[in-house]
Amino acid sequence: DGGITQSPKYLFRKEGQNVTLSCEQNLNHDAMYWYRQDPGQGLRLIYYSQIVNDFQKGDIAEGYSVSREKKESFPLTVTSAQKNPTAFYLCASRTHPGDSNQPQHFGDGTRLSIL
Amino acid sequence: GQQVMQIPQYQHVQEGEDFTTYCNSSTTLSNIQWYKQRPGGHPVFLIQLVKSGEVKKQKRLTFQFGEAKKNSSLHITATQTTDVGTYFCAGPHAGNMLTFGGGTRLMVKP
Repeated sequence: DGGITQSPKYLFRKEGQNVTLSCEQNLNHDAMYWYRQDPGQGLRLIYYSQIVNDFQKGDIAEGYSVSREKKESFPLTVTSAQKNPTAFYLCASRTHPGDSNQPQHFGDGTRLSIL
Repeated sequence: GQQVMQIPQYQHVQEGEDFTTYCNSSTTLSNIQWYKQRPGGHPVFLIQLVKSGEVKKQKRLTFQFGEAKKNSSLHITATQTTDVGTYFCAGPHAGNMLTFGGGTRLMVKP
């Protein structure tokens, strides 16, 4: 089955710690995205990548970092600089980054909390 | 920058009642997409509208795209408990991104 796999499902972060959220897709999609969702809120874009070895900041990139070394993988690191990291993190992908008619496919998400 | 607003933010309905959520964009959209997120789940793509004034139906769900391509609506006829969730509209931004509305959370009382 093709899809997007996010892990872990739940993650706890200690003060001053960096944590990395995994996102893997086997849909052969070029574009990948990371969103943050706070309770009862919409989706806010953190970072996106249209192609391997390239990525751009979204609306709320501060305190986060990403890499895109492989087409299938787009990990997100929540750094200690992100003072309010508790949220639901969603990874998404889309087949053609330049084609706005394509829908985004989402993973099941990672819930991050501070210890 | 582009903004996409949705109203209402929340809606409680009795099972069998109708429900409508409205989406308004600050800019003209080339298309609009609708997603549904069940409680505890992730957004799932429902439909896309492209043409001015377009209307599409999926069983009890009716989607409309405004003539000016700046607004859209989703109407559910005779809601069921399976319709519970948050409905998001999203419009393309800078070609490569989607701007999501804040969502309308639908709660259905059996």
